[in-house]
Amino acid sequence: AQSVTQLDSQVPVFEEAPVELRCNYSSSVSVYLFWYVQYPNQGLQLLLKYLSGSTLVKGINGFEAEFNKSQTSFHLRKPSVHISDTAEYFCAVTSYSSASKIIFGSGTRLSIRP
Amino acid sequence: EAGVAQSPRYKIIEKRQSVAFWCNPISGHATLYWYQQILGQGPKLLIQFQNNGVVDDSQLPKDRFSAERLKGVDSTLKIQPAKLEDSAVYLCASRLPGTGAHNEQFFGPGTRLTVL
Repeated sequence: AQSVTQLDSQVPVFEEAPVELRCNYSSSVSVYLFWYVQYPNQGLQLLLKYLSGSTLVKGINGFEAEFNKSQTSFHLRKPSVHISDTAEYFCAVTSYSSASKIIFGSGTRLSIRP
Repeated sequence: EAGVAQSPRYKIIEKRQSVAFWCNPISGHATLYWYQQILGQGPKLLIQFQNNGVVDDSQLPKDRFSAERLKGVDSTLKIQPAKLEDSAVYLCASRLPGTGAHNEQFFGPGTRLTVL
């Protein structure tokens, strides 16, 4: 079985500052990792995913994440945030053999201050 | 391309009443999911369909929740009777057929249920 821990429930940052949202996972088998974003009153949208290969994954809206197998982490980063990045961010994991069942973390609310 | 459609967007009911939610997935997406998202938590899978067959309903509270996808397209999720702890956003998602676990699920906007 897999599990996901998002270490921060809320992250406030100033506009144009860098941000890192932390995610750790637990699994006894190889996994795929995802970051989703949820804007207010909307469904989830895929930001990026790690399948294999390069550990640095680039996604939409200038976000990127780095897979670290030894640390079992998949932290999300953006060098300069905008007001429009205000949203809830979810880290998620699935295994190669889970028939596409995705386990989500509890989410991190990113709030951008002008 | 039209996205995943859900209705209603909001629903307020009293406990012990019944409620139903509807989902229309993206055309051609054989796999359909229902998730429950309680405030402050990540989405939790309730049930997964492949066409009109159930793949996984291990976390569906079957004493009160039911779901169907009779023609392999639209799906309905029903709660009967509702409890206060059922207050949540119910998300529907769909995915292309024949693709692996790593392929993207597309989510609808959700139905926000409040049970009083």
